[in-house]
Amino acid sequence: QSVLTQPPSASGTPGQTVTISCSGSHANIGTNYVHWYQHVPGTAPRLFIHRFNQRASGVPERFSGSRSGTSATLTISGLRSEDEADYYCSAWDDSQRSWFFGGGTKVAVL
Amino acid sequence: QVHLVQSGAEMKRPGTSVKVSCKTSGYPFNAFYIYWVRQAPGQGLEYMGWINPVSGATDSAAKFHGRLTVTRDTSSGTAYMELKNLGSDDTAVYFCAKGAWFGSKAWFDYWGQGSLVTVSS
Repeated sequence: QSVLTQPPSASGTPGQTVTISCSGSHANIGTNYVHWYQHVPGTAPRLFIHRFNQRASGVPERFSGSRSGTSATLTISGLRSEDEADYYCSAWDDSQRSWFFGGGTKVAVL
Repeated sequence: QVHLVQSGAEMKRPGTSVKVSCKTSGYPFNAFYIYWVRQAPGQGLEYMGWINPVSGATDSAAKFHGRLTVTRDTSSGTAYMELKNLGSDDTAVYFCAKGAWFGSKAWFDYWGQGSLVTVSS
């Protein structure tokens, strides 16, 4: 069982809002920062959100992040075709003293 | 401008080892940890380990203990990842990444382009 759990897929039409959840535990999301990465297969992953809700350089304002308890959420507002990619949450886990990634969520723009 | 440039694709036999390099530029190499992450075909990202560029201290995820060696050459700003006793399930794209600050709990702000390692008999 994964330490961080994400839905395998999410989708929406252009302009819609899509949310991606990342569920963990007190040892990871409940205690440590959550970061989000965008990965287009065949390219290098890209840091998108760090420390729950801080957008990385060049990331559009329609991307936002939040945390509540032991879950985190990435929200894409005003979905655009170029947002099609895999999105991964990541957090340090104090119990296992290691980094973990969620299983990734593939976002499709219909 | 920060760049991490990795070595090229490798084809390896089961039971052998592979060494992937990650040459950095555009920032002070000693100021940030280097991390290694891999992605097997059809799978997600998997954290492997890190190196402290100043001391050379390393750590690795539990599943790689005893098989993973991370080293660095501070004179060239290059980090290396060596994985021993390869199996077919080690076939993956291997990425290096730069930590956002000096420490093992930094997020990864810049990534290399990836190095495909294929393990096949």
